[in-house]
Amino acid sequence: KNEVEQSPQNLTAQEGEFITINCSYSVGISALHWLQQHPGGGIVSLFMLSSGKKKHGRLIATINIQEKHSSLHITASHPRDSAVYICAVSLIAGGTSYGKLTFGQGTILTVHP
Amino acid sequence: NAGVTQTPKFQVLKTGQSMTLQCAQDMNHNSMYWYRQDPGMGLRLIYYSASEGTTDKGEVPNGYNVSRLNKREFSLRLESAAPSQTSVYFCASSGGLAGFHTGELFFGEGSRLTVL
Repeated sequence: KNEVEQSPQNLTAQEGEFITINCSYSVGISALHWLQQHPGGGIVSLFMLSSGKKKHGRLIATINIQEKHSSLHITASHPRDSAVYICAVSLIAGGTSYGKLTFGQGTILTVHP
Repeated sequence: NAGVTQTPKFQVLKTGQSMTLQCAQDMNHNSMYWYRQDPGMGLRLIYYSASEGTTDKGEVPNGYNVSRLNKREFSLRLESAAPSQTSVYFCASSGGLAGFHTGELFFGEGSRLTVL
């Protein structure tokens, strides 16, 4: 079982729709990252969070430490949001941070006009 | 702002050739990393450097060497390239004070390497 699971793996939406991508992890973490990668492009960090909620423009990221779950929401989606969204966590086990970032497999989002 | 700059962006090698991927960051970050990205495998850590003068192996270090030349620069060397090293390579840096992988990550544009 992967330590970081993302769902869905693929997501297709119409422009304007509200989008949610989920990330679940199996052990304690020190931080969770949401990354964005456009086709053939580089990787951009969207959020880093360890508790609560962060918002940047149309993007919102939330994390529930007790449930070991994070969500990335996109409001009023646009075709330029089409990209791969990657969840990554820095895991803790036995009270010690591994200092190792573990990545989910990514969610491929396609937004149609 | 340049952020993280890596070169070259594209490279084709023959099996057995050597090459070095260069990476530099201008954000005064302590930690730097090299990842490879393969279809269906996600990002995998090759080597990292938590601070100037230190380097450590990640998940997939075999066939690679690294040098943390100074705080700005972290290079990745393939001594004898193999087709299994065909991949997209990303350099990244972070400025977290508590240790590596604790700050926001900044990535380079990627280097697409093909080994024939």
